[in-house]
Amino acid sequence: AIRMTQSPSSLSASVGDRVTVTCRASQGIRNDLAWYQQKPGTAPKLLIYAASSLQGGVPSRFSGSGAGTDFTLTISSLQPEDFATYYCLQDYNFPRTFGQGTKVEIK
Amino acid sequence: VQLVESGGGVVQPGRSLRLSCAASGFTFSNYAMHWVRQAPGKGLEWVAVISYDGNTKHYADSVKGRSTISRDNPKNTVYLQINSLRAEDTAVYYCARVRVSYDTGAYYAYWGQGTLVSVSS
Repeated sequence: AIRMTQSPSSLSASVGDRVTVTCRASQGIRNDLAWYQQKPGTAPKLLIYAASSLQGGVPSRFSGSGAGTDFTLTISSLQPEDFATYYCLQDYNFPRTFGQGTKVEIK
Repeated sequence: VQLVESGGGVVQPGRSLRLSCAASGFTFSNYAMHWVRQAPGKGLEWVAVISYDGNTKHYADSVKGRSTISRDNPKNTVYLQINSLRAEDTAVYYCARVRVSYDTGAYYAYWGQGTLVSVSS
């Protein structure tokens, strides 16, 4: 199975900060990667698919980049509603595998 | 689009459980469906997928050989049966619909609210 490694596991940031989360795949996965946001007690929400395509309804402050093994999720200006846990997920082959998550907390 | 899971509860180790996910608001027979689970306080784990027509299925290694995913398109429902339940199967189980019709991919645009399975004696 492809191993997805996110970094950092957690971070503290302030409203207005630029935040970057990275995800590394144990083998090349083209651009077959999604990013999800999850808030406590709720189902995850799709933010980015195909590494850099913004899902409809998601604010433009979210962006994704990368291909092959290294990917990045960027929040250009952190808003109060963005404090959550973020997961990457590879869509390259089965079994699908998630990263371990990155918790974004208020500084 | 609405996905509603049911069938969770407390179950003893070694027993079986069948989860259901009732779908509405879209043409169910055109979409692959996935199950994803989350143990308490832990991350997300992909569990299984079934293609739109039920002909293709894949499972995570953690449930392979003791789980079956199935669907009933006229009833707009997808199922996940897990046999020989273990403590490590304790989790919230979500069903999820992919973005694009006929695609088995992992871009889940819609999720249910989840159903909690607790494996305990």
